[in-house]
Amino acid sequence: ELKVEQNPLFLSMQEGKNYTIYCNYSTTSDRLYWYRQDPGKSLESLFVLLSNGAVKQEGRLMASLDTKARLSTLHITAAVHDLSATYFCAVVYFGNEKLTFGTGTRLTIIP
Amino acid sequence: NAGVMQNPRHLVRRRGQEARLRCSPMKGHSHVYWYRQLPEEGLKFMVYLQKENIIDESGMPKERFSAEFPKEGPSILRIQQVVRGDSAAYFCASSLPGQPSYEQYFGPGTRLTVT
Repeated sequence: ELKVEQNPLFLSMQEGKNYTIYCNYSTTSDRLYWYRQDPGKSLESLFVLLSNGAVKQEGRLMASLDTKARLSTLHITAAVHDLSATYFCAVVYFGNEKLTFGTGTRLTIIP
Repeated sequence: NAGVMQNPRHLVRRRGQEARLRCSPMKGHSHVYWYRQLPEEGLKFMVYLQKENIIDESGMPKERFSAEFPKEGPSILRIQQVVRGDSAAYFCASSLPGQPSYEQYFGPGTRLTVT
């Protein structure tokens, strides 16, 4: 069974702090995506990671991919309130086009 | 360039009624995916379609659910004889074939409530 696990599931952090969300997956993958979802809204694409060692940064968010460890991280630098949302990683497995989503991490930034 | 469009955005049905959810992909996109999100959960894949073809329906419940993507018009997800457990947000996504990232772009979702 294909599994994508994120941790932590819930994260409450103060503004200005740094933290990392982890995404582990169970089978070889050729693509990994990070999405953001605000309450009651759709999914906003943040990053697409296509190869081992890929690192992408946008503002205070940085995502990386280690295909050998089957691990991706989403690092938040100097968090601000606007980053409060639920973050999902999603994996596409070889020969497949469907996204398998992680459990999600609900991030709350406290002023 | 309009994004993925879904309608209705909110749908209320009584138990036993039928629900029809529509999805118009982004211009030029010929691949459509449907996902379901139960309250407080992540998204689960349901079905992947190309024009006039169902490519992968491994996530579709065996009964009451069907999907189509005709040559002309939007993709339709149909749920017959709805039950309370069908209450969820249903998201459609589309992608452009041949694009290296095969990125899927999501619509705003249809929130189905079964009373």
